Amino acid sequence: SYVLTQPPSVSVAPGKTARITCGGNNIGSKSVHWYQQKPGQAPVLVIYYDSDRPSGIPERFSGSNSGNTATLTISRVEAGDEADYYCQVWDSSSDHPEVFGGGTKLTVL
Amino acid sequence: EVQLVESGGGLVKPGGSLRLSCAASGFTFSNAWMSWVRQAPGKGLEWVGRIKSKTDGGTTDYAAPVKGRFTISRDDSKNTLYLQMNSLKTEDTAVYYCTTEVGAPWEGYYFDYWGQGTLVTVSS
Repeated sequence: SYVLTQPPSVSVAPGKTARITCGGNNIGSKSVHWYQQKPGQAPVLVIYYDSDRPSGIPERFSGSNSGNTATLTISRVEAGDEADYYCQVWDSSSDHPEVFGGGTKLTVL
Repeated sequence: EVQLVESGGGLVKPGGSLRLSCAASGFTFSNAWMSWVRQAPGKGLEWVGRIKSKTDGGTTDYAAPVKGRFTISRDDSKNTLYLQMNSLKTEDTAVYYCTTEVGAPWEGYYFDYWGQGTLVTVSS
């Protein structure tokens, strides 16, 4: 089945830009979605179809996808952005079509 | 406002059974594809399975680890989703989330609304 690889952790200072990557074989040919999960809470969709933002998600959150890497970018990072972030794709060729990355813990220094 | 409220979690012995429910409101449940996603303690997210809307066939798909043991069903008259879990194993211990699933075959699918989750613990 399709595998998504994320770095276990990313650290960033407040006000700076965080970039969280999601690697997969030719992932640029798939749509990538991103979820934010704060401790003790359910995941929240923050980016869908590579770069679209649901209503209520700040413009500071953006996404891109090309080649073998998709990236979630968080600009002007705030303390409240500290959370786990998961990427997800739908792999139509697999009998396990919904795939999540292993997650990245974003720490705001 | 979309609301998904899971219930039915608890402690069960290995080999036992449990049925989870997810009460939905704030959207047209009968038109929605619904999925279950689980998260083992301290681990990442894992898709469990989905059920399509009846207008799209009402069919189900399951992840390999639960295929043949778990069954997803829906009662559109009650706006409720179910997850019947049989032959439970210790590795099924997780928080189980009910989600709505949207998208299209040519674009892919994603999970736009999530419940708060219900904890299932499989232990002797």
